[in-house]
Amino acid sequence: AQSVSQHNHHVILSEAASLELGCNYSYGGTVNLFWYVQYPGQHLQLLLKYFSGDPLVKGIKGFEAEFIKSKFSFNLRKPSVQWSDTAEYFCAVKIPYSGAGSYQLTFGKGTKLSVIP
Amino acid sequence: NAGVMQNPRHLVRRRGQEARLRCSPMKGHSHVYWYRQLPEEGLKFMVYLQKENIIDESGMPKERFSAEFPKEGPSILRIQQVVRGDSAAYFCASSPSEGPISNQPQHFGDGTRLSIL
Repeated sequence: AQSVSQHNHHVILSEAASLELGCNYSYGGTVNLFWYVQYPGQHLQLLLKYFSGDPLVKGIKGFEAEFIKSKFSFNLRKPSVQWSDTAEYFCAVKIPYSGAGSYQLTFGKGTKLSVIP
Repeated sequence: NAGVMQNPRHLVRRRGQEARLRCSPMKGHSHVYWYRQLPEEGLKFMVYLQKENIIDESGMPKERFSAEFPKEGPSILRIQQVVRGDSAAYFCASSPSEGPISNQPQHFGDGTRLSIL
């Protein structure tokens, strides 16, 4: 079964610092990859997704992620964070065309980001 | 507002009572998924339903848990005889009816935080 690892449990940054959150998955075949964000007390919102094509994916709010197949990674980046980016970030994977894997999202444990003004 | 409506937002139950969690999917969505988030963990898939059908309940505990998505009304996740270990956040997601399911991102509700006394 596939799994998702997020390396950092809690990241603390000052405003304007650059952000990179790590995400690795364990599956050798085709994957669909997602980053979700959860602001305090709110629902998960889709930041960006990768299905195929350009491995550099642009999402909402200035976020981007790069799919590196050889490293099984899908790291999330933002050049300059704001206080309003304080939230928990979840990486998730689906395995398309694989029965249950095509609809079951497998999530990482999440990374809490705290941005200090 | 994500469009997926869950209620209640918070639910407190004593051990042995029943908990009923409700989820109304986004308009035009007929696929519903339930996930559970234990403290310090990522979301874990529980069950996938379409109208009047349970498609996959492989993530549901074998006892005390059940789910339904009737022809009319919201999807219900029901937990009978709750125990302390059931304390968690329960998230519902929905996806559109059209297109390959593997290509459909899931849209999440705000979650129900269940606390067992």
